[in-house]
Amino acid sequence: DAGVIQSPRHEVTEMGQEVTLRCKPISGHDYLFWYRQTMMRGLELLIYFNNNVPIDDSGMPEDRFSAKMPNASFSTLKIQPSEPRDSAVYFCASSLGGGLSTDTQYFGPGTRLTVL
Amino acid sequence: DAKTTQPTSMDCAEGRAANLPCNHSTISGNEYVYWYRQIHSQGPQYIIHGLKNNETNEMASLIITEDRKSSTLILPHATLRDTAVYYCIVRPNFGNEKLTFGTGTRLTIIP
Repeated sequence: DAGVIQSPRHEVTEMGQEVTLRCKPISGHDYLFWYRQTMMRGLELLIYFNNNVPIDDSGMPEDRFSAKMPNASFSTLKIQPSEPRDSAVYFCASSLGGGLSTDTQYFGPGTRLTVL
Repeated sequence: DAKTTQPTSMDCAEGRAANLPCNHSTISGNEYVYWYRQIHSQGPQYIIHGLKNNETNEMASLIITEDRKSSTLILPHATLRDTAVYYCIVRPNFGNEKLTFGTGTRLTIIP
């Protein structure tokens, strides 16, 4: 398996522009997670899905952020309009879930977003 | 989730065992201890987890004290590639898929 795939790996945009980050989870995984990492706040969970349904979006910073999972193999995180404080590395992760003690999350390589 | 406390940074000589401590004094009976690490510019990577028994896999060993209030991750023969930030996380077995990352321990392996 190729693991979790994220695109683009790097994104540079100007303030006010729309940004879309993409994620393909590991095939067969039922859970998908979006994280954001900054020097100031560390690694924080934004939202996660179970079987394509958003379960907890309490970490989404504000209405400018939205996430969708139209099918089991694809998810997007959109920021509209983007602001310089959104600059961060965004990670996507997936897991089998199910509450098993052996459940682990597998992370993608991340998208480094810079908003000028 | 129970909070964890880890040292901010540690050094270890290459080839020696690296012992990373974690305090989780408020851990509940149904919470597991997980360890992840993040090598520079990469996504976090799962290492090991346990409930109350010591665990070992190809990457590391996990020693959990009898009262479960602390644990130690052991990398038996550290290499330069083990330089990373190591996160100790506790979370319930059921009903909560979240991982809450703290600040972790920055481990530097010295040649």
